[in-house]
Amino acid sequence: IAGITQAPTSQILAAGRRMTLRCTQDMRHNAMYWYRQDLGLGLRLIHYSNTAGTTGKGEVPDGYSVSRANTDDFPLTLASAVPSQTSVYFCASSDSWGANVLTFGAGSRLTVL
Amino acid sequence: GENVEQHPSTLSVQEGDSAVIKCTYSDSASNYFPWYKQELGKRPQLIIDIRSNVGEKKDQRIAVTLNKTAKHFSLHITETQPEDSAVYFCAASISNAGGTSYGKLTFGQGTILTVHP
Repeated sequence: IAGITQAPTSQILAAGRRMTLRCTQDMRHNAMYWYRQDLGLGLRLIHYSNTAGTTGKGEVPDGYSVSRANTDDFPLTLASAVPSQTSVYFCASSDSWGANVLTFGAGSRLTVL
Repeated sequence: GENVEQHPSTLSVQEGDSAVIKCTYSDSASNYFPWYKQELGKRPQLIIDIRSNVGEKKDQRIAVTLNKTAKHFSLHITETQPEDSAVYFCAASISNAGGTSYGKLTFGQGTILTVHP
């Protein structure tokens, strides 16, 4: 089934630890994004990539890094997790040359203690 | 940068009534306005969108209106049903000259809609 796969589904992490959230899409979409969702704040863009080999900063990039080595994968790394990074993280993709509809993954719930 | 404000934060209606959710945006260059529905524990899904070259768009029981002068847009749901209960998010972005958007959406804070049977 075509779509976006995120892993892990949920994770509890000690502060200071490194964590990578994985995201893979099989729709050959050019553009991919990472959003975090916090209660009362909606979804906020962390980083994005318009095409393989390029990345850009979103609204809340501090403490996060991304890479886009190929079209399908867009991992998000927290180098040293802090409690304020407790959130639900959604990966999304869009065909930037088409209808521009964002397709979201199922989300990764991260708790930093 | 863009700022999107969404109201109300919660909305409770009786089945069959209409529901209206309103959003304002700050950047007059924004020209793409999607609405997403998120059921509890699920991912957001696009339900309708509108571009700045039209003032209204309808899809069955849902419609979106856009007032570019006032920089606000609204979601209208008629004949609400219990399955419409969810969190609804508005968003705004700037499309490039080719009419495509790179998905760098700025979202509103969300509205929790509850439809009582």
